[in-house]
Amino acid sequence: GENVEQHPSTLSVQEGDSAVIKCTYSDSASNYFPWYKQELGKRPQLIIDIRSNVGEKKDQRIAVTLNKTAKHFSLHITETQPEDSAVYFCAASIRQAGTALIFGKGTTLSVSS
Amino acid sequence: EPEVTQTPSHQVTQMGQEVILRCVPISNHLYFYWYRQILGQKVEFLVSFYNNEISEKSEIFDDQFSVERPDGSNFTLKIRSTKLEDSAMYFCASLVSPNTEAFFGQGTRLTVV
Repeated sequence: GENVEQHPSTLSVQEGDSAVIKCTYSDSASNYFPWYKQELGKRPQLIIDIRSNVGEKKDQRIAVTLNKTAKHFSLHITETQPEDSAVYFCAASIRQAGTALIFGKGTTLSVSS
Repeated sequence: EPEVTQTPSHQVTQMGQEVILRCVPISNHLYFYWYRQILGQKVEFLVSFYNNEISEKSEIFDDQFSVERPDGSNFTLKIRSTKLEDSAMYFCASLVSPNTEAFFGQGTRLTVV
């Protein structure tokens, strides 16, 4: 089955800096890669996703890149703000088959002002 | 905005007791999932459910676990004889079709004592 590795496990940045979180996946059939943000004690919420037919997607300060050949994808947050502090999870699945999302272990991002 | 709702928000149970966690998915959604998250760890897939049957399950989802959609709105997870290691946050998720966003409920924190 699918296995998703995520790095780093913790990331501390200064406000205004960029943050990059990287994930690799094992199943070449996976074609859907969402990123979730989870604040303390709350549910995971989708912040951005990418499908395997594109290499990059951007939404304001957040971008995701995908390298299908290398089977890795990354989350980029620019101009970080204290409210970006949270745990970020990457995930992978085979979308058309409706298979479950398999999550990485999460990255705790701390943005200090 | 429609959302997935879960009850109870927190349940404390004695080891060996049965618990039922309840979820009401978004009304037009067809794919349902249970995930769990042990404190400080990643979100782990338990089971997926579509067309009134289990479509996929993980190694965690052993004979102690079962799921049901008893009526048109509820989706339940039953743990027959709880163990200490079942203590976790349990999230229900639903999506309308395989190519759409998975919406998570707010979670049920299960504490087994």
